[in-house]
Amino acid sequence: TQLLEQSPQFLSIQEGENLTVYCNSSSVFSSLQWYRQEPGEGPVLLVTVVTGGEVKKLKRLTFQFGDARKDSSLHITAAQPGDTGLYLCAGREGGTSYGKLTFGQGTILTVHP
Amino acid sequence: GAGVSQTPSNKVTEKGKYVELRCDPISGHTALYWYRQSLGQGPEFLIYFQGTGAADDSGLPNDRFFAVRPEGSVSTLKIQRTERGDSAVYLCASSPGPVNEQYFGPGTRLTVT
Repeated sequence: TQLLEQSPQFLSIQEGENLTVYCNSSSVFSSLQWYRQEPGEGPVLLVTVVTGGEVKKLKRLTFQFGDARKDSSLHITAAQPGDTGLYLCAGREGGTSYGKLTFGQGTILTVHP
Repeated sequence: GAGVSQTPSNKVTEKGKYVELRCDPISGHTALYWYRQSLGQGPEFLIYFQGTGAADDSGLPNDRFFAVRPEGSVSTLKIQRTERGDSAVYLCASSPGPVNEQYFGPGTRLTVT
């Protein structure tokens, strides 16, 4: 079973600060996804990265996939209270397990006004 | 259109009892997934269906857990002889196919007393 380690587990910052969340594995994934989850709801997909070295931007969020496709990062610029939530990375394996997602343990982000 | 729905939203049961959790996927989605999320953790894969058949059930923890999808739409996750360690949020997701984005339901919170 492939594992994803996410860090930090908890992040508490002030509005306007920047932050980075990391997702690391010793295994290669065919793609990696980032989700955001609110209390009482299921995860919602933010982005999928597929190619090693790929960078994607979604407004103030920047996602990067490592060259070897084993790690990824999420960077938020000028965080806002509305960014508060649980952020999850998830890797998609290949072959017959292609449908299965392996999730990291999540980063709980709190942005204080 | 309607998203993934799960019933019940909350279920409290006594240790040793049998429970059924239901998932109604998005209409037309052929792939359906079950995950389990413990407090403070990321979702953990249980099983994935492509149509009526289980394409990957490698995440089911033991033979007390069973899932069906007899007509390729609604799925039921069945847990026999529940244990306190089964307490978690059970998430269901569906997608048009195994390579597509997974859309998650709000989950069923199971508490075993």
